[in-house]
Amino acid sequence: GAVVSQHPSRVICKSGTSVKIECRSLDFQATTMFWYRQFPKKSLMLMATSNEGSKATYEQGVEKDKFLINHASLTLSTLTVTSAHPEDSSFYICSARNSGGTEAFFGQGTRLTVV
Amino acid sequence: AQSVTQPDIHITVSEGASLELRCNYSYGATPYLFWYVQSPGQGLQLLLKYFSGDTLVQGIKGFEAEFKRSQSSFNLRKPSVHWSDAAEYFCAVRANAGGTSYGKLTFGQGTILTVHP
Repeated sequence: GAVVSQHPSRVICKSGTSVKIECRSLDFQATTMFWYRQFPKKSLMLMATSNEGSKATYEQGVEKDKFLINHASLTLSTLTVTSAHPEDSSFYICSARNSGGTEAFFGQGTRLTVV
Repeated sequence: AQSVTQPDIHITVSEGASLELRCNYSYGATPYLFWYVQSPGQGLQLLLKYFSGDTLVQGIKGFEAEFKRSQSSFNLRKPSVHWSDAAEYFCAVRANAGGTSYGKLTFGQGTILTVHP
């Protein structure tokens, strides 16, 4: 099956700094990638959809300038949490889908803790 | 817009007992439906999916789900639960319309499964 690798799996950063999370499709070309956020004991909420080579589409209520998404190649998308604050602490999960694919494959997730 | 409801936040069963996790969806067309399992601190693993055809879908780890259009449901079942099945389970519906959001998933709230020995 298709493999999506997310890195890092855990990261702790200081308040005010920026953190980059990578999502890679290892054995297929991901024309579309999705970024989700999961709060403790909550479901997954879609943050944004990124299509290779174009700007990401953000869901309502998600700050574009705070959560920067780049999908510069068919195998890599990055999420950068800028000027992180403790309330940004969460579990972030990416998924990737190839062109014409009927399902998206999930990364392992990244646990972000802002102290 | 699509939505998914999982009425049960937490279910406890004994090992060896049967299991049914409920899922109801709202979507304007024929849905693509999924069940995922998540262990603590981990990503999501796909258990099974329904796109079309036979309404009874077989998945991994002995799970199955039945699509019932008349009830807008896609309940997950397992005849005999193992202790290793303890996890959180998410039902999801996928947008099938075209455009840049094609393929995005809407998740239910999740059901936490506890298995007693």
